[in-house]
Amino acid sequence: AQSVTQLDSQVPVFEEAPVELRCNYSSSVSVYLFWYVQYPNQGLQLLLKYLSGSTLVKGINGFEAEFNKSQTSFHLRKPSVHISDTAEYFCAVQFAGGTSYGKLTFGQGTILTVHP
Amino acid sequence: DTEVTQTPKHLVMGMTNKKSLKCEQHMGHRAMYWYKQKAKKPPELMFVYSYEKLSINESVPSRFSPECPNSSLLNLHLHALQPEDSALYLCASSQSTGGYGYTFGSGTRLTVV
Repeated sequence: AQSVTQLDSQVPVFEEAPVELRCNYSSSVSVYLFWYVQYPNQGLQLLLKYLSGSTLVKGINGFEAEFNKSQTSFHLRKPSVHISDTAEYFCAVQFAGGTSYGKLTFGQGTILTVHP
Repeated sequence: DTEVTQTPKHLVMGMTNKKSLKCEQHMGHRAMYWYKQKAKKPPELMFVYSYEKLSINESVPSRFSPECPNSSLLNLHLHALQPEDSALYLCASSQSTGGYGYTFGSGTRLTVV
């Protein structure tokens, strides 16, 4: 079965501290990987994506993620968070083949709360 | 123009009403999507249109009827909804259906009374 799992439902962190939001996927075909952010009562904004090439991808707002094929992971990191980073973050997988080809499937989401 | 525009932003409707949600993009994207998001849950795919043709219907009840009049517009017609259909309805678009990130609209918050 093909799936995506976000390992933490909530992550509290203090301002200016580093943060890592974890994402693992399961797939028998190649995948494209994405992180989205959703602020309250808003749509989803693309933070970054991995399609191919370098496994370290940089996105907006100082976020980066590393694709690890052997561990089937795509963890999101930021070295120093701000209050404004408080939001819900979704990892998403798009399968490059199989019966789920092209569909964007989301993890359950991680609520990041940054405390002053 | 790098946006997906959804109207209305909020909608309250009775169970016997007929209403429509609208979505528009001018990025030249050829794939468009409807997602449903319940509170504290991830978005769930409802429909996929590729080159103005319905390519995926995720077993959505017939009280939801999608329509793609042209490559820039996507509608979702609603009829005889139930209170459990209350949710945030998100429209998205992408260049095509494979290997591209989606651009999402800000959604329509639907309440069925």
